[in-house]
Amino acid sequence: DGGITQSPKYLFRKEGQNVTLSCEQNLNHDAMYWYRQDPGQGLRLIYYSQIVNDFQKGDIAEGYSVSREKKESFPLTVTSAQKNPTAFYLCASSWGTQTAYEQYFGPGTRLTVT
Amino acid sequence: AQTVTQSQPEMSVQEAETVTLSCTYDTSESDYYLFWYKQPPSRQMILVIRQEAYKQQNATENRFSVNFQKAAKSFSLKISDSQLGDAAMYFCAFESNTGNQFYFGTGTSLTVIP
Repeated sequence: DGGITQSPKYLFRKEGQNVTLSCEQNLNHDAMYWYRQDPGQGLRLIYYSQIVNDFQKGDIAEGYSVSREKKESFPLTVTSAQKNPTAFYLCASSWGTQTAYEQYFGPGTRLTVT
Repeated sequence: AQTVTQSQPEMSVQEAETVTLSCTYDTSESDYYLFWYKQPPSRQMILVIRQEAYKQQNATENRFSVNFQKAAKSFSLKISDSQLGDAAMYFCAFESNTGNQFYFGTGTSLTVIP
């Protein structure tokens, strides 16, 4: 089945540690996105990538980093510089960003940092 | 930047009745796309319906339809014959014609009362 996978579903880390969230898609989509979801704030864009080896900052990129070495993979690293990392993180993909397509979402990862 | 506003944090509807969720947006663009996404308790984001701004006809998908008022920058979602499975958080989203970013509203939590 085609889709987007995010693992793990729940992730726990100690403050001061970097943590990497995985996102893999087998939909052959060119574009991939990372969102953060907090209660009452909807979805906020962290980073997005249109093609391999290229990515752009979204609205809340500070304290996060990404890579796009393969078309199907777009991992997100939450660094110790992110002041409030506890949140629900959603990965999405779409056919492209040169024209409008709907985004397909993964099941999300709940990150808790204590 | 585009903004999307959902002014109803919570709504409720009796099973089999009709409910309308509101969404307004702000943009200077003339060509764009609008979406409604559903996020059930599983937190998996699911596309409900999409509307192209250049189309005057309102989109319909089974029990879901929109009322798109371009001049008023309004994009409401009507759910007819509400079912228990419709209970979820609903997000309105805007995408410009260039397809670079989605802008999401803060969501409306819909409760369906048996």
